[in-house]
Order: sequence, then structure tokens, then C-alpha cells
Amino acid sequence: GENVEQHPSTLSVQEGDSAVIKCTYSDSASNYFPWYKQELGKGPQLIIDIRSNVGEKKDQRIAVTLNKTAKHFSLHITETQPEDSAVYFCAARAGGSTLGRLYFGRGTQLTVWP
Amino acid sequence: DAGVTQSPTHLIKTRGQQVTLRCSPKSGHDTVSWYQQALGQGPQFIFQYYEEEERQRGNFPDRFSGHQFPNYSSELNVNALLLGDSALYLCASSWVRGARETQYFGPGTRLLVL
Repeated sequence: GENVEQHPSTLSVQEGDSAVIKCTYSDSASNYFPWYKQELGKGPQLIIDIRSNVGEKKDQRIAVTLNKTAKHFSLHITETQPEDSAVYFCAARAGGSTLGRLYFGRGTQLTVWP
Repeated sequence: DAGVTQSPTHLIKTRGQQVTLRCSPKSGHDTVSWYQQALGQGPQFIFQYYEEEERQRGNFPDRFSGHQFPNYSSELNVNALLLGDSALYLCASSWVRGARETQYFGPGTRLLVL
């Protein structure tokens, strides 16, 4: 099955700085890569996703890049704010069906200091 | 538009008991996936229900079973509870018939097994 590795496990940045979280995946057939933000006591919330036919996607301060050849994808958050503090998870969906299960990384605890 | 809802929010059981967790998908969604999230870990896929059938299953024993009803809501049942079953159980819904791959998560049910 698919194996998703996520780094770093913890990340501390000053407000206004950028944050980058990186993930790698093992199954070259994976074609959909969502990112979720999970705040304490809540379920994961989708923040951005990308399909394998796209190299980069941006939504305001958040962007995701995908390198299919190297099998890695990254989350970029610019102009970080204290409310960005949370655990972020990357995921990959194996196979071409929308029924495909998601495989998650172990998460990155992001702390933004004011 | 109501999002994914889960009940109960918290549950305490003792070893050997059985538990039933419930999930109502986001309006318009037809597929429900269940995940187990241990403390400090990413969600692990349990199984997925579409058209009232189990379509995919992760590496979980037969003690974990589920059901999907005609209104697309779903239940997760766990028999013979073990201490290691203590976790946050997440339900995610998606719209497979509409070829929409995004999975939206509910707030989860926190299960503690004593």
C-alpha cells in the first residue's frame, strides 16, 4: 500500500514568517493530495488539495507544490498568523477512483509566535 | 448547509464491551469513510461505505464493523473493546457519484476504553 512520510514533526515560526511542510509518498499511482488542518479537539479541516495533473496550486496565503517525478509535495504558508497554529496533515489517495482511501502522514505541529 | 455530524462526542467504555458510533454525512454526499486517530498520529483508514456496501477496508480486525443506511448515514461498531481501541474516531463524507474526491471530516467521537 501507500506510505506517506511527513517532515518536520514540529515547526515554530515568528508571526509574518513563512512555513513549509514536506511530504513524500511511495505509490506512483497516487493522484490526489489533500492537506488538512486540525485544531485541538476538532476534526481535520481541508485547507487545500492538488491533483497529479497540476504542479502548483495557490489559495491566498497557502500554496501546495507537487513533484510527481520525485514523489513529494509541500505545503507553503506565507505571512503566518497565530491562528495558523495547529497540526497539519498531508495525505495521498492511491489509485484513480474517487473511492480511494486516504493515507495520512503523521502530522506537523505548527506554532506561530506573535 | 450542515457539515458532517457525529455522535456521541465522547464515550467511556470498559474492556470487552461493545460500542456504536454514528455519522451523518454532509448534505448531498453519498459515501462515508471511517478513520481511527490515535493520540499524536495521523488518521488511519478503517473502512468505506458506498451504496450501503463496504467498498474498501484497512488493516483492522473483524471486531470493527459498519453499516450504511439508505439515507447515507453510517454506523461504526466495535466489539470486544481493547484498551488500544482508545482513540478519536473520525467520519468523513464525500460525493462519489458526483466524482468529487474531497473528503470532509466530522468533529469525531473520542472513545476511552478503561
